Amino acid sequence: GNSVTQMEGPVTLSEEAFLTINCTYTATGYPSLFWYVQYPGEGLQLLLKATKADDKGSNKGFEATYRKETTSFHLEKGSVQVSDSAVYFCALSDLNTGNQFYFGTGTSLTVIP
Amino acid sequence: DVKVTQSSRYLVKRTGEKVFLECVQDMDHENMFWYRQDPGLGLRLIYFSYDVKMKEKGDIPEGYSVSREKKERFSLILESASTNQTSMYLCASRSDRGRSVSNQPQHFGDGTRLSIL
Repeated sequence: GNSVTQMEGPVTLSEEAFLTINCTYTATGYPSLFWYVQYPGEGLQLLLKATKADDKGSNKGFEATYRKETTSFHLEKGSVQVSDSAVYFCALSDLNTGNQFYFGTGTSLTVIP
Repeated sequence: DVKVTQSSRYLVKRTGEKVFLECVQDMDHENMFWYRQDPGLGLRLIYFSYDVKMKEKGDIPEGYSVSREKKERFSLILESASTNQTSMYLCASRSDRGRSVSNQPQHFGDGTRLSIL
């Protein structure tokens, strides 16, 4: 079946530090992969996506590359800001399983000045 | 931009009450979803709908029902609210048009934080 595994949080970083949040997946077909961000008190917002192997999604300084050989989609940012403090969710969508999304459990990030 | 609007940000109800959570989307999306979000458990799918009057059970449908009478509106109903249904509820919508449905993201509302006393 399909599943997404994210690194456990919480993660605490100093401003301007490098961020990596690991995400690996299991899928029966050829999934599309997504990162969502949830700021305190809000719903989930799409951060970036990649729809096939070796695609790189990017947005707001965040990047993630779809690695089929390692079934991974790690989120990275070169220099985090306090405003990046949020919960990050990795997700996949697989055409073979219809309209459902499979979400990781989320990784909480706190950036301190 | 897609707009998914949930009717209440915060709601307090009593055990045994029938509770309605409303969700409206403005992008003519075919698919709509209801999730609940709990600490340490991530998002869990309650129900989804791929068309008007159509519904499918998700992973945790017990104690819930849904209604989709119009394409833009998807309602979640707690038939008899219980304290273990205290949670954050998130609604989402998704298009199934385009070359590949799986490429389409889900778009979320801001959530309803429901407390059952």
